[in-house]
Amino acid sequence: GAVVSQHPSWVICKSGTSVKIECRSLDFQATTMFWYRQFPKQSLMLMATSNEGSKATYEQGVEKDKFLINHASLTLSTLTVTSAHPEDSSFYICSANSGTITRKYFGPGTRLTVT
Amino acid sequence: GESVGLHLPTLSVQEGDNSIINCAYSNSASDYFIWYKQESGKGPQFIIDIRSNMDKRQGQRVTVLLNKTVKHLSLQIAATQPGDSAVYFCAEIGQGGKLIFGQGTELSVKP
Repeated sequence: GAVVSQHPSWVICKSGTSVKIECRSLDFQATTMFWYRQFPKQSLMLMATSNEGSKATYEQGVEKDKFLINHASLTLSTLTVTSAHPEDSSFYICSANSGTITRKYFGPGTRLTVT
Repeated sequence: GESVGLHLPTLSVQEGDNSIINCAYSNSASDYFIWYKQESGKGPQFIIDIRSNMDKRQGQRVTVLLNKTVKHLSLQIAATQPGDSAVYFCAEIGQGGKLIFGQGTELSVKP
């Protein structure tokens, strides 16, 4: 099946700093990538849809200036959490699909802890 | 808005028994559904999918049933094993191709 990777797998940062999370599709070209956030014991909540070469589409309530998404190539999307605060601590997961893949494979997730 | 919900947040079964995880969805226009398994600290793992023109689909030890009349989805796991312990999510493809997740059911398998 399709493989999606994320880097880093976990990160600890201080409040007020920014952190970048990468999502890569390893064996296919992803025209669209999705970013999710998951708090403990909760479901995955879609944050934004990232389309290669265009601006991301954010879900209602997600601050686009705080969660910067860049989808510069067909295999890479990045999520930058700017001016992170402890409440941004969460598990961030990306998924990717192409026109030929509808199952939406997911990355392994990135655990962000803001101190 | 669109939503996919689950009836039971937790399920405990004995090893070897069959497990049934239920899910209700609200968008009758959804035509594609997926079940995912998520182990602690990992991303969701695809289990099985079904399109709305089907009412049953079988995989290896898993079966998904779709009842469009009552907008209900279920995942059946045969001969449940300790390795099946995880959180299971149903999801539907919503507007714009977005994948919308349900609440999740935590399955615990007792040896």
